[in-house]
Amino acid sequence: GAVVSQHPSWVICKSGTSVKIECRSLDFQATTMFWYRQFPKQSLMLMATSNEGSKATYEQGVEKDKFLINHASLTLSTLTVTSAHPEDSSFYICSARRTASYEQYFGPGTRLTVT
Amino acid sequence: AQSVTQPDIHITVSEGASLELRCNYSYGATPYLFWYVQSPGQGLQLLLKYFSGDTLVQGIKGFEAEFKRSQSSFNLRKPSVHWSDAAEYFCALADRGSTLGRLYFGRGTQLTVWP
Repeated sequence: GAVVSQHPSWVICKSGTSVKIECRSLDFQATTMFWYRQFPKQSLMLMATSNEGSKATYEQGVEKDKFLINHASLTLSTLTVTSAHPEDSSFYICSARRTASYEQYFGPGTRLTVT
Repeated sequence: AQSVTQPDIHITVSEGASLELRCNYSYGATPYLFWYVQSPGQGLQLLLKYFSGDTLVQGIKGFEAEFKRSQSSFNLRKPSVHWSDAAEYFCALADRGSTLGRLYFGRGTQLTVWP
C-alpha cells in the first residue's frame, strides 16, 4: 500500500511553454501533498505544500505565479510550470501524506528538460 | 530551529561488510525521524521510521536504526551490505509542531558498494 504515482516521468518542452505534472496517491487519501525540486547530487528542496481544497503554501523564494499548484482532490495534486525556461530544468518529486500521519510517500519523480 | 545533519557525503564499503550511516538532528522535542533511500533517477522509498517507544527500529531490506536522545542521533545500520544497497540515503525529521507535517532532510549520503 501507500503508492504515489507521477506523470509524466520525463518531459522535454520548449522555452516559454507550460508543463503540467500530476501526482496521484493510488491507494490512500492524502490530505497534504508536497512538491520538491532536486538538483543533481543534492538533497530535496521543498517548493510548496498543498492541502486539498485550499491554496498551496509556498516556500520562501519559490515563485507562486510560476509554479502553480492545484490540489483538486484527496488523491490528485498538479504542478504547472508556467513559461518554462532552461533554468527550470530539474527533477521534480511529489509526496503525499496520509491523513493524521507524518509519513510521506514519494512519487518516482519527473525529469523536466526545457530547451 | 529544526535541522538534520548527515556528516558523511560519500561512504564506500565492500559487499558483505557492515554499514553505519550517521544522522544528527536538532529539534526542541521528541522528533519523528525517518530514513529514506533513493536510487538514481527515482523517488524516495521509506526504509524505517521512529515515532516513540523502542529506540531500536527495524526497517525493510535488513536495515535498522537506533534513536539516541542523549546524542541527538538516529544512525542507520546494516550488518551485511549487498551490492544492490548502493544508493543515496536521506535522514529526515518531521516537524510535529506543524499541521502540515513537513519534512526536513539531511543533505544525503551516497553509498558505494565494492564487489
